[in-house]
Amino acid sequence: DIQMTQSPSSLSAFVGDRVTITCRASQAITNYLNWYQQKPGKAPKLMIYAASNLESGVPSRFSGNGSGTDFSFTINSLQPEDVATYYCQQYDNLPRTFGQGSKVEIK
Amino acid sequence: QVQLVESGGALVKPGGSLRLSCTASGFNLSDHYMSWIRQTPAKGLEWVSYISNRGYSIYYSASVKGRFTISRDNANNSLYLQMDSLRADDTAVYYCATGKRTYNYWGHGTLVTVSS
Repeated sequence: DIQMTQSPSSLSAFVGDRVTITCRASQAITNYLNWYQQKPGKAPKLMIYAASNLESGVPSRFSGNGSGTDFSFTINSLQPEDVATYYCQQYDNLPRTFGQGSKVEIK
Repeated sequence: QVQLVESGGALVKPGGSLRLSCTASGFNLSDHYMSWIRQTPAKGLEWVSYISNRGYSIYYSASVKGRFTISRDNANNSLYLQMDSLRADDTAVYYCATGKRTYNYWGHGTLVTVSS
């Protein structure tokens, strides 16, 4: 199975800050990587697909980058409504696997 | 408006069975591959299974293969997960989602608790 490792596990930042989460795959996955946002008590929501493509309706302050084994997810200008846990997910191989999550909070 | 609604979650004893349902509205289920994904605080998000739009292609995770069966009824816009020989580590919130690689739409989830 491909292991997905996210860092940091949690972070706290000020409104307006730029926040970056990284995701590393245990083997190369080309750009077969998605990012999801999950708010407490809710289902995950697709934010970024194929490493860098913004899902329809997602604000442009969110972005993704990377290929191979190393990927990043950035929130430019953190907003209060961005408080959530973010997950990466690979779809290069079965089983599909997710990172352990990165919890984003406001200072 | 695309909506997925899961049902069937319950408290069940180890070794027992449960059937989860996922009803779709706002789109034709027959146009989409569908997946089941579960979530626990300890293990996070875990892919369980997917089924092709007509049901001819099915895959399971190693942890549920031989115990769970995914199926669909496109005429009724419904997806199912038959879970047999349930174990304590199957305790989770179960989500249905569209897609086999990228999960564009998710249901709200249904809680399955396996405990004596």
